[in-house]
Amino acid sequence: EDQVTQSPEALRLQEGESSSLNCSYTVSGLRGLFWYRQDPGKGPEFLFTLYSAGEEKEKERLKATLTKKESFLHITAPKPEDSATYLCAVQEGQGAQKLVFGQGTRLTINP
Amino acid sequence: DVKVTQSSRYLVKRTGEKVFLECVQDMDHENMFWYRQDPGLGLRLIYFSYDVKMKEKGDIPEGYSVSREKKERFSLILESASTNQTSMYLCASSQTNYGYTFGSGTRLTVV
Repeated sequence: EDQVTQSPEALRLQEGESSSLNCSYTVSGLRGLFWYRQDPGKGPEFLFTLYSAGEEKEKERLKATLTKKESFLHITAPKPEDSATYLCAVQEGQGAQKLVFGQGTRLTINP
Repeated sequence: DVKVTQSSRYLVKRTGEKVFLECVQDMDHENMFWYRQDPGLGLRLIYFSYDVKMKEKGDIPEGYSVSREKKERFSLILESASTNQTSMYLCASSQTNYGYTFGSGTRLTVV
């Protein structure tokens, strides 16, 4: 059974304090790993897709990386507007279209 | 701007009522999904559809049914609402082999 575990559950940082969020996964054949951002009371918003180990994607202060067992979302010099829940999801190979989500990391950036 | 639109942001229904949650996407996506999101449990897949008139059970289909009569519309039906179905409901769509685009969510309260 596919599993996705995110850590930490919650993270509180000061503005400008860089850190990383972790997503560990167990899947029989990874088709893609996805990162989403979710603001309170809203639907998740797509950030990145990673397909193979060694791949990296960047967007503003965020960078996502992928190994064979885990992905990291690095946040560099965060601002209060980066506060949100960050969700990781995996899509297994061979025709499956559904995503399996982790429980998310709730990130708070204090000014 | 491409969109997934859920018909209601907030709904309050009585126990035993039949409830319809509507979702419409304007991206011509083949795949559509219904998830529910609860604190501590993350996103759980209820039903999904790969094509018109096709549906497949997700991880927690009990108490729910779906309808997809047109490609752009995917409806979730609670046959007889119960208090344990109080939740945030999220609809998503995807092109095959790509990630999801989510709607804004419907927060359903069953009293």
